[in-house]
Amino acid sequence: AQSVTQLDSQVPVFEEAPVELRCNYSSSVSVYLFWYVQYPNQGLQLLLKYLSGSTLVKGINGFEAEFNKSQTSFHLRKPSVHISDTAEYFCAVSDLGAGSYQLTFGKGTKLSVIP
Amino acid sequence: NAGVTQTPKFQVLKTGQSMTLQCAQDMNHNSMYWYRQDPGMGLRLIYYSASEGTTDKGEVPNGYNVSRLNKREFSLRLESAAPSQTSVYFCASKEGGSQPQHFGDGTRLSIL
Repeated sequence: AQSVTQLDSQVPVFEEAPVELRCNYSSSVSVYLFWYVQYPNQGLQLLLKYLSGSTLVKGINGFEAEFNKSQTSFHLRKPSVHISDTAEYFCAVSDLGAGSYQLTFGKGTKLSVIP
Repeated sequence: NAGVTQTPKFQVLKTGQSMTLQCAQDMNHNSMYWYRQDPGMGLRLIYYSASEGTTDKGEVPNGYNVSRLNKREFSLRLESAAPSQTSVYFCASKEGGSQPQHFGDGTRLSIL
């Protein structure tokens, strides 16, 4: 069975500062990894995904994430945040096996950007 | 391009009432999912349908039933609502394999 740990439940950061949201996963097989963003009262929107290949993945809105297999991590980064980045961010993992049907989500990290 | 559409957006029920949450996708996706989201818990899978004609339990299926009506539609039924089922419910769909899931905007359900 797979699991996802998002190490910080809340992250406050000043506008234009860099941010890193941490995600660790556990799985007995190879995985696909995803980051989703949820703005207030909305559904989840895909930020980026890692399927294979280059371990540095670039997504929308200037976000990027790096897959580290040895540390089983997939941390999300942005070099300079904006007020509009205030949202909740979810890391998710899917096993390559069994048709990759199921996603397991972390509990989320609330990013608050301070003017 | 509507994507994944959920109805209703809000609902208040009394304990013991029944209700069906509707979900439809227009992307010709094979797989569909129902999640619930509770504060500090992330999203937990209730049921999913890998393809038309199949359904399987997820992490928290108790108290729920589902129907994959056709390729487009996947409904979630609460037969006898309980206050513990107060939550935000999300439907999602995906094409298959490594493709990401696409989410609806959610149904906010309160059970008194």
